[in-house]
Amino acid sequence: EAQVTQNPRYLITVTGKKLTVTCSQNMNHEYMSWYRQDPGLGLRQIYYSMNVEVTDKGDVPEGYKVSRKEKRNFPLILESPSPNQTSLYFCASSFNADTQYFGPGTRLTVL
Amino acid sequence: SQKIEQNSEALNIQEGKTATLTCNYTNYSPAYLQWYRQDPGRGPVFLLLIRENEKEKRKERLKVTFDTTLKQSLFHITASQPADSATYLCALEGGSGTYKYIFGTGTRLKVLA
Repeated sequence: EAQVTQNPRYLITVTGKKLTVTCSQNMNHEYMSWYRQDPGLGLRQIYYSMNVEVTDKGDVPEGYKVSRKEKRNFPLILESPSPNQTSLYFCASSFNADTQYFGPGTRLTVL
Repeated sequence: SQKIEQNSEALNIQEGKTATLTCNYTNYSPAYLQWYRQDPGRGPVFLLLIRENEKEKRKERLKVTFDTTLKQSLFHITASQPADSATYLCALEGGSGTYKYIFGTGTRLKVLA
């Protein structure tokens, strides 16, 4: 089944403890992206990748890192999480940059 | 910078009627615009894409229009059903040659039986 998977789905952590949210797609898509969704602010793009080793900032990249070493994986790294990074995170992938397929979401709480 | 606005108030309509949702944008001329459906606690699901040279696009009971002069897209669901109840998101591409996207905050639609 064609899909985008994210792990973990739920995470509660404490300020400053490094964490990684994984994202994987099995559709051989070139493009991948991370978003965060907050009430009243909608979906905001954090980072995106247009191919292996090619990444760029979205609208809200501060406090996040990404890497794209393989086509199928695009992990999101929070080196020192803070409470304002508490949010619902979505990974998305696309073959041609116009139709996006979203993962199920990761709900992160930073205490 | 680009700005995209959707009616943040919920839209309630009676089953069988046509729902019309609005997406307005400023400070930009996107090459295309997309509509997504999102159910509570789930990821958005792509519905339709319309390009700047297309006035209208249809898919089953869905219709999208794109007025580049007004900088507005309208999303219609005809013969609406309670199963159509969800939040609908508008998104525009954020720059040629990039994978940048700007999303609206969404409009929550409730179809009453």
